Amino acid sequence: DAGVTQSPTHLIKTRGQQVTLRCSPKSGHDTVSWYQQALGQGPQFIFQYYEEEERQRGNFPDRFSGHQFPNYSSELNVNALLLGDSALYLCASSYPLGNYGYTFGSGTRLTVV
Amino acid sequence: ELKVEQNPLFLSMQEGKNYTIYCNYSTTSDRLYWYRQDPGKSLESLFVLLSNGAVKQEGRLMASLDTKARLSTLHITAAVHDLSATYFCAVVTGAGSYQLTFGKGTKLSVIP
Repeated sequence: DAGVTQSPTHLIKTRGQQVTLRCSPKSGHDTVSWYQQALGQGPQFIFQYYEEEERQRGNFPDRFSGHQFPNYSSELNVNALLLGDSALYLCASSYPLGNYGYTFGSGTRLTVV
Repeated sequence: ELKVEQNPLFLSMQEGKNYTIYCNYSTTSDRLYWYRQDPGKSLESLFVLLSNGAVKQEGRLMASLDTKARLSTLHITAAVHDLSATYFCAVVTGAGSYQLTFGKGTKLSVIP
């Protein structure tokens, strides 16, 4: 049973560029959340997608946007990259209510130079 | 604003010893999660605690939840080196919220 799959695993971008990260949820899950984890910190919630719509958003600027496709996979887009966007980006999938927990992917390590 | 505080942030313990990690949160919550993270790796789900007084155990780890005190504990019994990792608690608060709010994590090092 495939878990949560994220791609790419590592990425280096230049300030001002745009980046797209991808996530395929665990089989049977239809809800996808994105988190940003800076070095030495706990993950911070960016947003959650359900039924192809953003259901809840954390305290992140509009430069962070996302999309969910009919097959439940999701993309995270970040525009106008800043050095401070360097982090591990984690995707988590779940059933709609999350009572059975969230399954996290291995993450994408983004470095902005 | 919900705040989740873990202590200690760093813990070095000898193999065979017992210790407890504490997780306090600032507002009412109906779900609390514990995760483990190895260096450079993703988060591994350990426990989901859904009600006051809930206690769950897996191997040398036991988690409990006191919703009145807004406190969860992760107890480690007879630590072994393989338990070395960073442990996070995360809380979901409020009806209709789907956001996990994480503590800063407790970095555990078990010394042989």
